[in-house]
Amino acid sequence: AQSVTQLGSHVSVSEGALVLLRCNYSSSVPPYLFWYVQYPNQGLQLLLKYTSAATLVKGINGFEAEFKKSETSFHLTKPSAHMSDAAEYFCAVSDSGSSNTGKLIFGQGTTLQVKP
Amino acid sequence: KAGVTQTPRYLIKTRGQQVTLSCSPISGHRSVSWYQQTPGQGLQFLFEYFSETQRNKGNFPGRFSGRQFSNSRSEMNVSTLELGDSALYLCASSNGDVLPLYGYTFGSGTRLTVV
Repeated sequence: AQSVTQLGSHVSVSEGALVLLRCNYSSSVPPYLFWYVQYPNQGLQLLLKYTSAATLVKGINGFEAEFKKSETSFHLTKPSAHMSDAAEYFCAVSDSGSSNTGKLIFGQGTTLQVKP
Repeated sequence: KAGVTQTPRYLIKTRGQQVTLSCSPISGHRSVSWYQQTPGQGLQFLFEYFSETQRNKGNFPGRFSGRQFSNSRSEMNVSTLELGDSALYLCASSNGDVLPLYGYTFGSGTRLTVV
């Protein structure tokens, strides 16, 4: 069964510093992986997704993530944090038991705090 | 184009009542999935509908049910509400032959409070 682990429920960085949010997955088949961001009282916004086309995936707002099969990781990075990046971030894997499924399995989320 | 629309945004219900939440997917999308988000359990999959058929179901009691109409709009119903059903309920829409390739767009959610 697929699963996702996000290391660190809270991450704090200074404005302008590197953002690194960690995600490890477990999947018996090549996975589809996603990063979503959630601002208070809002839904989930897709940052980027990995669909096996390229291991380095670029997303919106300057975020990117690298798929590393050997490490079963899909960490999210941004070179320079902005105050507006403060939010909760979720890593998710598609339940690939059936490739045409609408089920995502989410990690527990990481709250990113950006200090001025 | 319009995004995923969930109504209502906020809802307060009493224990034992039932509630119906609505989700209108992006025009042309045929898949609608529902998730429950709570501080303790995080984001959990409820069920997915595709062309009016439930294709996948999460590990929730039978009090949670849903349906999808011919225009792809979906509703979920929770009967005999319990305090633990208080949560943010999110729906996501998708399309294409391989849904994960296409991606999933989420609505803003319905915040249900059971008192």
